[in-house]
Formats: sequence, C-alpha cells, structure tokens
Amino acid sequence: AQKITQTQPGMFVQEKEAVTLDCTYDTSDPSYGLFWYKQPSSGEMIFLIYQGSYDQQNATEGRYSLNFQKARKSANLVISASQLGDSAMYFCAMRAPGGSEKLVFGKGTKLTVNP
Amino acid sequence: DTAVSQTPKYLVTQMGNDKSIKCEQNLGHDTMYWYKQDSKKFLKIMFSYNNKELIINETVPNRFSPKSPDKAHLNLHINSLELGDSAVYFCASSQDVARGGTDTQYFGPGTRLTVL
Repeated sequence: AQKITQTQPGMFVQEKEAVTLDCTYDTSDPSYGLFWYKQPSSGEMIFLIYQGSYDQQNATEGRYSLNFQKARKSANLVISASQLGDSAMYFCAMRAPGGSEKLVFGKGTKLTVNP
Repeated sequence: DTAVSQTPKYLVTQMGNDKSIKCEQNLGHDTMYWYKQDSKKFLKIMFSYNNKELIINETVPNRFSPKSPDKAHLNLHINSLELGDSAVYFCASSQDVARGGTDTQYFGPGTRLTVL
C-alpha cells in the first residue's frame, strides 16, 4: 500500500528566508505522481506543485520547488523567500497507481512564517 | 469563474438527520472525488467517479451515497448522520492523463459538517 510520511508537525521560518518541508513516500510501483497542497487557515486546498516519477528535472513553480530524490523516496518542498502569507498547513500527496487516481495524503506540516 | 464549487459551505444538523452536499466543476474534467478531512486535518479519499461511473469506494459506510447526475456534478448524500461524521468534506476534480490532462486534482472550498 502507498504511504506518505511528513515527519515535521510544525515548522517556523523567518520572513524572507527559505524553508524545506520534508516528505517521504513508499510505493512499489514505478509510475506515480507527487503533489504538494497548501491549506491556509481559511480552509481551501490549493495545488502548489507536481512531480512525476519519470520526470528528469525537479519541478519548480515560482517560489516553490520540489527536491525530488527518487532513490531516497523523498519529495521535499522548498519555499524560497518566505512571506507571511505562506503560513499554512502543507500536505504532500501521492497519486496511487493502477488507474484509480486517488490521492494518498501525509498528515501535513504546519508552517508559521515569523515577521 | 469558480472552478470547483460546493454548497453549502457550513452545515450544522442533528444526529439522525439526512443531508446532502453538492459539488459542481466547470473545468470539463472527467473525474470527480469526495475526500473527508477529520479533526486532525487528515485527508482521506471516500469516492471517485469517472464520467458518472463509480470507480473508487473506500470502505465508507453505506449511509454515504454519492450521486453523479452528469460528469460536472458529484453530490454526496448522508443518511442517519452520526457524531463521527463531523468533518470537512472536500470535492475535487481532475482530467485524465489519457485525455490530455495533467492528473492534478483541484479542490473545492470544502463543506464543514457539524453533527450535534
């Protein structure tokens, strides 16, 4: 069964600094997708970034980048130049293979950006 | 121009009642989902529909019944509500990779259900 592990329940970062949120995954399937979502206090789930298992390069979207280390089964999210508005819960998720397309989520990391 | 919308946003009801949550997406996606987020913020898939057909049913009590009248709508009906049903319910949609999509799931704003 697929599993996502986020070992950091909470993280703190100073405004304008970079922060890395950890995510490790477990699957025996060679084809999978990894996603990061942001959930601010208002509650909505916002898609941030996607990495496919066969992608040769690490994904980047603006200030977000994904440090994908396939051999280590890790897909850490890096947020550069943190802003106060980055304070939120961050969820790592994996698309389960086999055509079902469901997402398996980690427990999330609460990021607090300090001024 | 809302992509995935849900109604209502908040739902407060008594134990034993029956309630429905509606979801609509205007993205032209083929697949829609229902997820449940518990009080500890853990998100778990409940159901998935592809072109109005049920493809995932994750050991959810049969008091929960999804209905997809067309591929743009996926409603969730809950019978005999229990205290443990209190949670945030998210609808999501995605476009199949085989049909040129990126497989990314886009979520609605969520419905916070409180059972008293």
